[in-house]
Amino acid sequence: GDSVTQMEGPVTLSEEAFLTINCTYTATGYPSLFWYVQYPGEGLQLLLKATKADDKGSNKGFEATYRKETTSFHLEKGSVQVSDSAVYFCALKGGSEKLVFGKGTKLTVNP
Amino acid sequence: DTGVSQNPRHKITKRGQNVTFRCDPISEHNRLYWYRQTLGQGPEFLTYFQNEAQLEKSRLLSDRFSAERPKGSFSTLEIQRTEQGDSAMYLCASSNRDRVLNTIYFGEGSWLTVV
Repeated sequence: GDSVTQMEGPVTLSEEAFLTINCTYTATGYPSLFWYVQYPGEGLQLLLKATKADDKGSNKGFEATYRKETTSFHLEKGSVQVSDSAVYFCALKGGSEKLVFGKGTKLTVNP
Repeated sequence: DTGVSQNPRHKITKRGQNVTFRCDPISEHNRLYWYRQTLGQGPEFLTYFQNEAQLEKSRLLSDRFSAERPKGSFSTLEIQRTEQGDSAMYLCASSNRDRVLNTIYFGEGSWLTVV
């Protein structure tokens, strides 16, 4: 079945550092890909999405490009802030209506 | 949009008791989803509705779990005879299938602790 694999955390960075969180997927067909963010004590918020190969999703300085050839959707940000500290989930939606999530990567950004 | 609303936000119950969670989706959304999230894991799909019809259920949804969406608006998720393994956050989400990208929006979740 469909699955998502994320790099394991936790990830700890200093403010203004470059961030990459790796995500690869296995799916039949052409899934849509998503990054969700979960701040402490809160639900999930959609961060960005891409629906077809080579699409780039972007939001709040975060970017991810749908790479069909490597089945990847890595999340990047050029300069992280303390307020970016959260858990980040990569997810896909394939042929059915359900989202399939990775296990999440906890990011801590120190001042 | 007022967002997806879930109640209660936290529930502590004794093993063997029944609990019910309520979800109010974004007003024009015709699809409603339930997910379960345990500590350190990503959310896992439980079930989804299109209007009042329950169209898909996960194997995770044992016979102690029942979800309803009687009028195609709010939904309830009931867990009967709770077990300690049911302790988790139960997330509700909604979307509108008539919109091109059908983005799924999540509520803040309902934490269940079974003691």
